[in-house]
Amino acid sequence: EAGVVQSPRYKIIEKKQPVAFWCNPISGHNTLYWYRQNLGQGPELLIRYENEEAVDDSQLPKDRFSAERLKGVDSTLKIQPAELGDSAVYLCASSLPGLYGYTFGSGTRLTVV
Amino acid sequence: AQSVSQHNHHVILSEAASLELGCNYSYGGTVNLFWYVQYPGQHLQLLLKYFSGDPLVKGIKGFEAEFIKSKFSFNLRKPSVQWSDTAEYFCAVRSVNTDKLIFGTGTRLQVFP
Repeated sequence: EAGVVQSPRYKIIEKKQPVAFWCNPISGHNTLYWYRQNLGQGPELLIRYENEEAVDDSQLPKDRFSAERLKGVDSTLKIQPAELGDSAVYLCASSLPGLYGYTFGSGTRLTVV
Repeated sequence: AQSVSQHNHHVILSEAASLELGCNYSYGGTVNLFWYVQYPGQHLQLLLKYFSGDPLVKGIKGFEAEFIKSKFSFNLRKPSVQWSDTAEYFCAVRSVNTDKLIFGTGTRLQVFP
């Protein structure tokens, strides 16, 4: 089975530019998560989807971050405009409901210069 | 609020030494507990998880963890580490009520031959 697929793996942009990340979860996983991992820190939840509905976006900086999960499968996370402090690894994870763990993708390492 | 503490930020061991990494959480409700490992340049991988039942959980690669409810702890152990165990280890706690997965800040383990 294919794991959680994220693209791109790396992205370097200038500040104030927009950027988007894409995630394809494991087939059949209706729950999808976006996390941000700063250097030397644990991942922090940005948003959680149940199918196409964002059920927890309390940690998403909504002034510049947005996300969508059309049709309850793939998801995109966008930052516009990016700031220097947004440099981090953005992780996508998916899971089944119930007593299952989360499967993480390889992440997108964003560098804002 | 839900939080996770990993008090060991950086652990250095020689091969064959025993390992114990601490993890404490604060949350009064029912929780699921996880340990994830992140090898250099790789994505987060699930080592083991606890949902219910026997509080001593065995995971992959010889790791185990013990859930002590009275101490709000879920320490990770391995009797004899190998050089290949060099990685970052993250403890994570999910509230059953909110389904929110919170990570600790991680412990960097270095094992020298």
